[in-house]
Amino acid sequence: DAGITQSPRHKVTETGTPVTLRCHQTENHRYMYWYRQDPGHGLRLIHYSYGVKDTDKGEVSDGYSVSRSKTEDFLLTLESATSSQTSVYFCATGQSHEQYFGPGTRLTVT
Amino acid sequence: SQQGEEDPQALSIQEGENATMNCSYKTSINNLQWYRQNSGRGLVHLILIRSNEREKHSGRLRVTLDTSKKSSSLLITASRAADTASYFCATNNAGNMLTFGGGTRLMVKP
Repeated sequence: DAGITQSPRHKVTETGTPVTLRCHQTENHRYMYWYRQDPGHGLRLIHYSYGVKDTDKGEVSDGYSVSRSKTEDFLLTLESATSSQTSVYFCATGQSHEQYFGPGTRLTVT
Repeated sequence: SQQGEEDPQALSIQEGENATMNCSYKTSINNLQWYRQNSGRGLVHLILIRSNEREKHSGRLRVTLDTSKKSSSLLITASRAADTASYFCATNNAGNMLTFGGGTRLMVKP
């Protein structure tokens, strides 16, 4: 978890509300990633960023948007939360040879 | 879709025994990595093996790669209770993206 923090660590929200998760890194890594982890699916890539204001979609991007206005911060927004977005969300930095993960955010959508 | 599939999904052994986990993948890769996840924590990088390598060692870890079979194995020798965790393989086949498998849950009984 070194150098990567996520906030909040736990959140319960209602269906239809917008939610923003924050990832902050102190490592000055160019690449940042958002994953979701669900039982039986491992980690699936939602969105990633390859620089300030440079982002792209991952495998499961529907219903999510991201923004990166500074190197150290990568925000994940659920525009209108649904129960299927109940999951544990992990932020990561790094490159092809190694990624470094944050501690995760447990999100429950009721 | 998952690139890597781990086998078994769960493994329970006694302290001192060896633990072997397998990973199969579908497309050609640049490298394959193994990560460990303790309960409630983020993933931690363990070891990387490149596509032109067949075996790699790091302490009590031994990784093999068979590109003809599109498979890899992770061996943990002389396991300890502290090795109890989930283990994930991840493949890199282009750029800086990783694709993760569903993981193997390892329990080491004291």
